Amino acid sequence: DSGVTQTPKHLITATGQRVTLRCSPRSGDLSVYWYQQSLDQGLQFLIQYYNGEERAKGNILERFSAQQFPDLHSELNLSSLELGDSALYFCASSVYGEETQYFGPGTRLLVL
Amino acid sequence: DQQVKQNSPSLSVQEGRISILNCDYTNSMFDYFLWYKKYPAEGPTFLISISSIKDKNEDGRFTVFLNKSAKHLSLHIVPSQPGDSAVYFCAAKGRVGGSQGNLIFGKGTKLSVKP
Repeated sequence: DSGVTQTPKHLITATGQRVTLRCSPRSGDLSVYWYQQSLDQGLQFLIQYYNGEERAKGNILERFSAQQFPDLHSELNLSSLELGDSALYFCASSVYGEETQYFGPGTRLLVL
Repeated sequence: DQQVKQNSPSLSVQEGRISILNCDYTNSMFDYFLWYKKYPAEGPTFLISISSIKDKNEDGRFTVFLNKSAKHLSLHIVPSQPGDSAVYFCAAKGRVGGSQGNLIFGKGTKLSVKP
């Protein structure tokens, strides 16, 4: 158990809908990262937050957004969902942003 | 354009023997490398890391070697155990594209350790 929690574990929705994925980092970690793992793909970095502020952006679509709240939990919002958004979404956390990242169990999203 | 490459999608090893997983990278700005293990339906689990100022790091049965001139790293598992069967991801980070924290992953190598 990495100490990073993600909810929900599974999510099934329809095209065009909007969903919110939630992540709670390990106690004491200030940085949160979101990654996407599609079929046959490695993990792709989406976005990083550090202590409530966006720090880095990767291959994140404009339909996707994220935020980190004062209690340091983070939410990833996915809107106007398409079939290709079906993937595993992982959250990771680290103390500051320069060290090892610890991953949560992931949310499996299926868009029908 | 893959910056971190794991060219072997799978590897099969006999229990008790050495497993060697390889990883190549293209960007010389990477300064920290990590290996993660992933079981189905779980998140990646951190295994071992190495800074670019070192060429070897050891933790129990796991050793990571870094060859900067060749832009190559490898993970050695000795002795291999059936419980090591999983997908292993190589990851790198550094001051790339203005970001210094996010990890860039290879596509993984599926290790099967046979009893």
